[in-house]
Amino acid sequence: QKEVEQNSGPLSVPEGAIASLNCTYSDRGSQSFFWYRQYSGKSPELIMSIYSNGDKEDGRFTAQLNKASQYVSLLIRDSQPSDSATYLCAVRGSQGNLIFGKGTKLSVKP
Amino acid sequence: DVKVTQSSRYLVKRTGEKVFLECVQDMDHENMFWYRQDPGLGLRLIYFSYDVKMKEKGDIPEGYSVSREKKERFSLILESASTNQTSMYLCASSLGHPSNQPQHFGDGTRLSIL
Repeated sequence: QKEVEQNSGPLSVPEGAIASLNCTYSDRGSQSFFWYRQYSGKSPELIMSIYSNGDKEDGRFTAQLNKASQYVSLLIRDSQPSDSATYLCAVRGSQGNLIFGKGTKLSVKP
Repeated sequence: DVKVTQSSRYLVKRTGEKVFLECVQDMDHENMFWYRQDPGLGLRLIYFSYDVKMKEKGDIPEGYSVSREKKERFSLILESASTNQTSMYLCASSLGHPSNQPQHFGDGTRLSIL
């Protein structure tokens, strides 16, 4: 069974700090990786996708991928209270579906 | 922007009823998916489809069926609703097959079975 693991949290950071969210996956052949943000009672929304080793930056968000170590991370710089949500890591499975982690709950304190 | 529309935000049904959840996407996506999301269990894949008339079982297909008669529409059917099917149901779509594209989600249907 292919798995995606995330620390469930909650991860609490002060406003303005960097929040670091981590994810590991079991399928070494995985090629596509995604981070979604989900507010309470809402559906997941795509934040970042990453396909190559290294860093990918989009505004305050940076996704990092290390295929050799089978982990992907998301950094949120200058965290805001509005960033408080559950962050889902997803990895593309062999059939084209996505395998989701259970999510890390982030709380940004003013 | 991709728009995935689920027919109902909230739905209350009774045990034993046949329940239909509808999902429509407007971006000509080949792939459509149905998930359920429960506290502590995360998102679990029920069924997915790569093309019209095609369907594939996900991780938890028991008690469900699906229909894809048109490319833009993917229906989830609870054949005989039971209380353990009370959940948040999420539909998603993505482009291309095989696809490395992200999935885009609808707003979800919170289904309660009494």
